[in-house]
Amino acid sequence: GAGVSQSPRYKVAKRGQDVALRCDPISGHVSLFWYQQALGQGPEFLTYFQNEAQLDKSGLPSDRFFAERPEGSVSTLKIQRTQQEDSAVYLCASSPQGLGYNEQFFGPGTRLTVL
Amino acid sequence: GESVGLHLPTLSVQEGDNSIINCAYSNSASDYFIWYKQESGKGPQFIIDIRSNMDKRQGQRVTVLLNKTVKHLSLQIAATQPGDSAVYFCAESGNQFYFGTGTSLTVIP
Repeated sequence: GAGVSQSPRYKVAKRGQDVALRCDPISGHVSLFWYQQALGQGPEFLTYFQNEAQLDKSGLPSDRFFAERPEGSVSTLKIQRTQQEDSAVYLCASSPQGLGYNEQFFGPGTRLTVL
Repeated sequence: GESVGLHLPTLSVQEGDNSIINCAYSNSASDYFIWYKQESGKGPQFIIDIRSNMDKRQGQRVTVLLNKTVKHLSLQIAATQPGDSAVYFCAESGNQFYFGTGTSLTVIP
């Protein structure tokens, strides 16, 4: 079956622009996670949804970052007024159940480059 | 915040040898651990997991060992193949999900 998909795969933005990154999780998966991965580093947790509820957004680095999952399936990560330090790969993962002993299935990521 | 760290950033092994990748974690409350493999340009891929009530779990060519006393996790890959070349991350799960920095494994043919 289809895995987690993300679009676009690559995004170049000028500093100050707004961007929107999309994640299509595996159908029926309850949990959805967003991570930020800087070059040469491990993924850093940003936010977590259980269905449409955003249960944890403690990893969002600033109020310029906003995520939503209005119908409990597709999610969008929006970054306003992008800065160069926002350049990273943004990974989305989904899991069939809530937090716990559940594997997360990752998408390929969106590589964001802010000029 | 919590930290999950790896002892060695890079590891090179000969094809056919066994590989051991180590990881230290700091949150004693974490009760679930996962090893992921990440190839260039791809998202992390699940390899094997282990719950805190276990100290060893085996999969196909891989074994994960958990030592809760010293908060140490290791991944053993048997008969390492060129396709195993990638970055390996350990991750711990409690209230959140934390990844380590990663170890880059290079398999020499």
